[in-house]
Amino acid sequence: NAGVMQNPRHLVRRRGQEARLRCSPMKGHSHVYWYRQLPEEGLKFMVYLQKENIIDESGMPKERFSAEFPKEGPSILRIQQVVRGDSAAYFCASSLRDGYEQYFGPGTRLTVT
Amino acid sequence: AQRVTQPEKLLSVFKGAPVELKCNYSYSGSPELFWYVQYSRQRLQLLLRHISRESIKGFTADLNKGETSFHLKKPFAQEEDSAMYYCALSVLYGNKLVFGAGTILRVKS
Repeated sequence: NAGVMQNPRHLVRRRGQEARLRCSPMKGHSHVYWYRQLPEEGLKFMVYLQKENIIDESGMPKERFSAEFPKEGPSILRIQQVVRGDSAAYFCASSLRDGYEQYFGPGTRLTVT
Repeated sequence: AQRVTQPEKLLSVFKGAPVELKCNYSYSGSPELFWYVQYSRQRLQLLLRHISRESIKGFTADLNKGETSFHLKKPFAQEEDSAMYYCALSVLYGNKLVFGAGTILRVKS
């Protein structure tokens, strides 16, 4: 089992462009979580998804950010019209079931120039 | 509101010395607490959780509800313990983790 995969590992975008971050959960896991880590801070919860459903998006900024986890394929975190403040490390985690241990991916480091 | 506080950004100890990484939390419900560790160039991984009451790699942590603390301890530090350590609180039945800012542990020889 390769573990949680995230790509790309590094992403550079100019202000105003779109960023798409992908997360493939561990085999057999149907629960996905996205976290953001700003410099010098801990990871902050963004969104929790199950296949085709957003369960909790209480940590998502109201505008420009969206997430999906389709029936087939990876989970996508999409950031439209990126700004410098979006520069951060974005981590994805997956779990087998509700409330079970979360396994983390290596993260995607987004830099907005 | 839920919050996790790790007061030390960096803790530097000599090999063989005792280690205590501090963690305090704020949560009105029944807390479930974890310690995660990130070694150099590796991904974040679970070290231990309070409900299992295990000792992992010589580390233990006791939940003190009176002091709202979950400090991580090890009696004799090893060089391979050098890493970033995050304390985390689980809310919503484990579906949302609230992390502290992390403490870098450096074990010097």
